[in-house]
Amino acid sequence: GIQVEQSPPDLILQEGANSTLRCNFSDSVNNLQWFHQNPWGQLINLFYIPSGTKQNGRLSATTVATERYSLLYISSSQTTDSGVYFCAAYPQGGSEKLVFGKGTKLTVNP
Amino acid sequence: KAGVTQTPRYLIKTRGQQVTLSCSPISGHRSVSWYQQTPGQGLQFLFEYFSETQRNKGNFPGRFSGRQFSNSRSEMNVSTLELGDSALYLCASSPDILQTQYFGPGTRLLVL
Repeated sequence: GIQVEQSPPDLILQEGANSTLRCNFSDSVNNLQWFHQNPWGQLINLFYIPSGTKQNGRLSATTVATERYSLLYISSSQTTDSGVYFCAAYPQGGSEKLVFGKGTKLTVNP
Repeated sequence: KAGVTQTPRYLIKTRGQQVTLSCSPISGHRSVSWYQQTPGQGLQFLFEYFSETQRNKGNFPGRFSGRQFSNSRSEMNVSTLELGDSALYLCASSPDILQTQYFGPGTRLLVL
């Protein structure tokens, strides 16, 4: 089945710093999504981005489907950005099971 | 619109017991999916229901089952609980299949 790999696995920042999280997928995908899981376990939708670039405040995401990767940018990070960021996608033309990466754990220190 | 709700939020059971978890999707959403999250295995797909029919099932033993009702609410059941079933169980709903999924707060299950 499809593999979704995220890097880095862990990231520690000082408040105000910028960061880039990466998601690679081993085959063509549909419906790529980015989520943020807060310390209480809630998964919050950030972006639905099968291709192109989207921005929402300090966060933006870019997916290059032909090269099988997606990037999540966080600018001017805040302590509330801490948590685990997941990307997930449906394999194209095959299983309709959403496949998650293992996540990037982000810690933003004051 | 109200978000996805899950009950109960926390649960403690002992080995051999069974458990039923409930999920109410966002109003108008017809697809409900369940996931298990553990530190070792990450987020794993359990099953998806659409219009009361199971459309997909993950690689879990038959002890894990579920159903969806006509109002799209869904339940999942785990029988003969094992220690390894301790996990965060997440439910997600979407308007249709292969669309953006919206997650509930999860049910934390501890099996002793």
